[in-house]
Amino acid sequence: AQTVTQSQPEMSVQEAETVTLSCTYDTSENNYYLFWYKQPPSRQMILVIRQEAYKQQNATENRFSVNFQKAAKSFSLKISDSQLGDTAMYFCAFIIIQGAQKLVFGQGTRLTINP
Amino acid sequence: DTGVSQDPRHKITKRGQNVTFRCDPISEHNRLYWYRQTLGQGPEFLTYFQNEAQLEKSRLLSDRFSAERPKGSFSTLEIQRTEQGDSAMYLCASRQRGGGRGTDTQYFGPGTRLTVL
Repeated sequence: AQTVTQSQPEMSVQEAETVTLSCTYDTSENNYYLFWYKQPPSRQMILVIRQEAYKQQNATENRFSVNFQKAAKSFSLKISDSQLGDTAMYFCAFIIIQGAQKLVFGQGTRLTINP
Repeated sequence: DTGVSQDPRHKITKRGQNVTFRCDPISEHNRLYWYRQTLGQGPEFLTYFQNEAQLEKSRLLSDRFSAERPKGSFSTLEIQRTEQGDSAMYLCASRQRGGGRGTDTQYFGPGTRLTVL
């Protein structure tokens, strides 16, 4: 089975703080990519960051970085210097490179940044 | 590049009626995906097209659901004899032809929220 588990349904931090969202996944495949998507309230889903599983180096995009532990099948997202605009649902997901490359999503973490 | 668009954004219908949604992908994106997202959950894959060919369908896609992508451009998703359990957000995503870094990224539309009364 291919699954993604996000164990934190909701999180809340103060503006400018650092927050880490957890994600674990399960797949028997070896070639896959991992993603974090953001879905702001009433707005469309947008890509935050992606990671190729064959790369050991953790991906970073400005204030966003990941901690990818392949053996543990863990893929956490760290948001530094959080901003009010980071308030959103965050979804962890992966695709298997062969075939349909359909996204398998977790249940999401609702992140609220407080002023 | 105007992004993925979906129409309508909201649809309210009565149980038993048929509904059709439209998705316009980013131009020249050859793959188009449909997902369903119920309240408080992550999206779940329904089906996908490569150009005009529908290559995979999820078991979630009962025989009341049909999707098309004529000429490999826009796509439609039709639900016949709607049921209350069909109430959800229907998301469309597209991606460009594979091969280069980043081509695996799917770009999502705003979704169509369906409410079946």
